[in-house]
Amino acid sequence: DAKTTQPPSMDCAEGRAANLPCNHSTISGNEYVYWYRQIHSQGPQYIIHGLKNNETNEMASLIITEDRKSSTLILPHATLRDTAVYYCIVMYAGAQKLVFGQGTRLTINP
Amino acid sequence: DSGVTQTPKHLITATGQRVTLRCSPRSGDLSVYWYQQSLDQGLQFLIQYYNGEERAKGNILERFSAQQFPDLHSELNLSSLELGDSALYFCASSVDGTNYGYTFGSGTRLTVV
Repeated sequence: DAKTTQPPSMDCAEGRAANLPCNHSTISGNEYVYWYRQIHSQGPQYIIHGLKNNETNEMASLIITEDRKSSTLILPHATLRDTAVYYCIVMYAGAQKLVFGQGTRLTINP
Repeated sequence: DSGVTQTPKHLITATGQRVTLRCSPRSGDLSVYWYQQSLDQGLQFLIQYYNGEERAKGNILERFSAQQFPDLHSELNLSSLELGDSALYFCASSVDGTNYGYTFGSGTRLTVV
């Protein structure tokens, strides 16, 4: 599985867009980019995933560069409840397990 | 409520003891995954079951074992407990064993004293 690199921590003001970067320079052609988050000690929560094209759902947008070596998760209007650790994971769709790295600790400030 | 039910929510036990953690997957999901999260290790994959059969194994200790029953609920058995086994244990489920759409439970917090 491709290794990912994320900043250990980020801050964002409430109401602003939070942009979380992820580098995955060794990603293979059929590996997907997944984002999960973990709020405090709750179970991780699926946010979004994509292969090549940009994706958007009710929670966030995922922007994947054309060379697929990096991506950005965008929370368009961050709220205090978005404070969490965000994990970027790169895997084959048929892989047997999610492998979590250290993630980015995002703090939304009032 | 994610639909994945884990019991108990909290468990305190002594070293050397044995405990069983239980997980009921979301309705319709055939795969169950177990993860351990301790303060210094992050989320570590332990084991996966798919429709009753072991599908993948991670860094699961020999003192730990798991199984998935015909009704698809799963149990994680931890024996000869040590202080270092204190952690949050999460169960997740998915429909068909791929990693799209993992749904995690709220976890069991195990404290070994």
